[in-house]
Amino acid sequence: GAGVSQSPRYKVAKRGQDVALRCDPISGHVSLFWYQQALGQGPEFLTYFQNEAQLDKSGLPSDRFFAERPEGSVSTLKIQRTQQEDSAVYLCASSFGQGGGLWNQPQHFGDGTRLSIL
Amino acid sequence: KQEVTQIPAALSVPEGENLVLNCSFTDSAIYNLQWFRQDPGKGLTSLLLIQSSQREQTSGRLNASLDKSSGRSTLYIAASQPGDSATYLCAVRTSGTYKYIFGTGTRLKVLA
Repeated sequence: GAGVSQSPRYKVAKRGQDVALRCDPISGHVSLFWYQQALGQGPEFLTYFQNEAQLDKSGLPSDRFFAERPEGSVSTLKIQRTQQEDSAVYLCASSFGQGGGLWNQPQHFGDGTRLSIL
Repeated sequence: KQEVTQIPAALSVPEGENLVLNCSFTDSAIYNLQWFRQDPGKGLTSLLLIQSSQREQTSGRLNASLDKSSGRSTLYIAASQPGDSATYLCAVRTSGTYKYIFGTGTRLKVLA
């Protein structure tokens, strides 16, 4: 079926505004990850969901960042009161992850949302 | 704290060469290691995943090896082609965690 879909592809916001980034994982994928990627760097982990449960949010930079996956499929990453340092590409990845093979499934990435804060 | 380093940061080679990309990690207690490719403006594409119990994985012209005890992995690309030009990233999942820790990548350019 279709791959991981992220929207919008580009988002420009003024400092202080709230933004919401959407991720549609591959249908049936249990695991969902959010990453932040600065220019010229590797992705940095933000948070992890297993179905609707957020099992790790240790990478969220501040309490302005909030993620949810209420029905275990689509996920939204929300950033409140955006600041210039939030400018980056936000990547979403999903993996099948069931049973004993939970941890050895390749991740499938979306093309990301490029966020620019003016 | 797990740290992942990739060497070299950039590489330019003529078409047809065989090449090796290196990845090292500081904590050998890993669950698996994954190699990805990233094209400009795109997300990451998984190339190979090596479980901690495995020594290598192969897919077409790509071969990845893992030496857990020394904290190293290499990605071997045979007979490189201009279409292989991209950034290659390795990532490790440390045992007992959910997250992948990424290196900063190697930017590869294969010249026609």
